[in-house]
Amino acid sequence: AQSVSQHNHHVILSEAASLELGCNYSYGGTVNLFWYVQYPGQHLQLLLKYFSGDPLVKGIKGFEAEFIKSKFSFNLRKPSVQWSDTAEYFCAVRGIGYGQNFVFGPGTRLSVLP
Amino acid sequence: DTEVTQTPKHLVMGMTNKKSLKCEQHMGHRAMYWYKQKAKKPPELMFVYSYEKLSINESVPSRFSPECPNSSLLNLHLHALQPEDSALYLCASSQNREAFFGQGTRLTVV
Repeated sequence: AQSVSQHNHHVILSEAASLELGCNYSYGGTVNLFWYVQYPGQHLQLLLKYFSGDPLVKGIKGFEAEFIKSKFSFNLRKPSVQWSDTAEYFCAVRGIGYGQNFVFGPGTRLSVLP
Repeated sequence: DTEVTQTPKHLVMGMTNKKSLKCEQHMGHRAMYWYKQKAKKPPELMFVYSYEKLSINESVPSRFSPECPNSSLLNLHLHALQPEDSALYLCASSQNREAFFGQGTRLTVV
């Protein structure tokens, strides 16, 4: 069965600090990987995705993530966070194939202090 | 058009009411999903439709009844809900890769 774990439940940073959110997954096959962000009171938005190729992927708003296959990890990074990055961040995996469902990690709440 | 549209955005219903949530997409996606999300928790899968057929039902209580009348529409019929069913209900669609999520229906059961 697929599962996703995220290293931190709540991360508190000051503006301009660097961010790294950990994500590990368990799945017996090839996966697609995603990071979603949910701002307070809003819906899920896709930050970035990995399907194949270059394991370092760049997303919106200056975020990037690195897929390390040997570690089953897909960590999210941002060099300098802003107050507006305060949100809940979800890592998700999906098996290859039609109708496969998305499995979400428990989420990491990021609070950025001005 | 990369939108998944959900209506209504907010719904308050009594425990004896019958209501329906609607989801629509025009991206030609043939997989559609219902998720339930409680506050500060990840979305939990409820149902998956693939080519208008129910392919996954994650042991959801029968008071939730999904329906996929055609490839663009997905409904979730609600009947005799409990207060603990109050949550954000998210619809998503995908075509083999990424999912596009709707804005959700925030449901309150009173």
